[in-house]
Amino acid sequence: DTAVSQTPKYLVTQMGNDKSIKCEQNLGHDTMYWYKQDSKKFLKIMFSYNNKELIINETVPNRFSPKSPDKAHLNLHINSLELGDSAVYFCASSQEFGTGRETQYFGPGTRLLVL
Amino acid sequence: DAKTTQPNSMESNEEEPVHLPCNHSTISGTDYIHWYRQLPSQGPEYVIHGLTSNVNNRMASLAIAEDRKSSTLILHRATLRDAAVYYCILIAGGTSYGKLTFGQGTILTVHP
Repeated sequence: DTAVSQTPKYLVTQMGNDKSIKCEQNLGHDTMYWYKQDSKKFLKIMFSYNNKELIINETVPNRFSPKSPDKAHLNLHINSLELGDSAVYFCASSQEFGTGRETQYFGPGTRLLVL
Repeated sequence: DAKTTQPNSMESNEEEPVHLPCNHSTISGTDYIHWYRQLPSQGPEYVIHGLTSNVNNRMASLAIAEDRKSSTLILHRATLRDAAVYYCILIAGGTSYGKLTFGQGTILTVHP
């Protein structure tokens, strides 16, 4: 069984559209994260949730809205997509939170291309 | 956040040991040293972490300098599957809330 899964794997869409990316983890972790990897391969954290509560919001535009229906899921909804949103989006989860020791488990990524 | 400095790239031959260095001269006492790697077209993968003492696991060893200003990830016998980008990351215990700050990393090429 895949520990952290994301759907879809690929997403091609037009500017201005609204899209969602789903993430599920079956590890029983309490904390989940969204990261963005741009064309230069830099990975940056966007959000983190602990027990369904938003903990980190790294100055991401309001067009991005994470939603955590339960501890096993953290979805990312993006409104009014722009060209600059094209990137690979990774979901991750961890058991520990805030200790510095937490090990994060990453999903396979969702490759978003905005035309 | 304390920053890390890694070489842009390194090369190794298969079956040989690889030592990947990381400098973190501004590390604070509560910062944990983590290593992740990213294989082509995959998500990052945890490798190892430590605070002060050297650490070993099934994937690698982590050697931490006595003053903690640098560390070295050691792959004892490189395989082709170890070709990846390796990231050295500091995570502050108690304040960073799991925020991994990825730098450029080191691109490791393994030759058959």
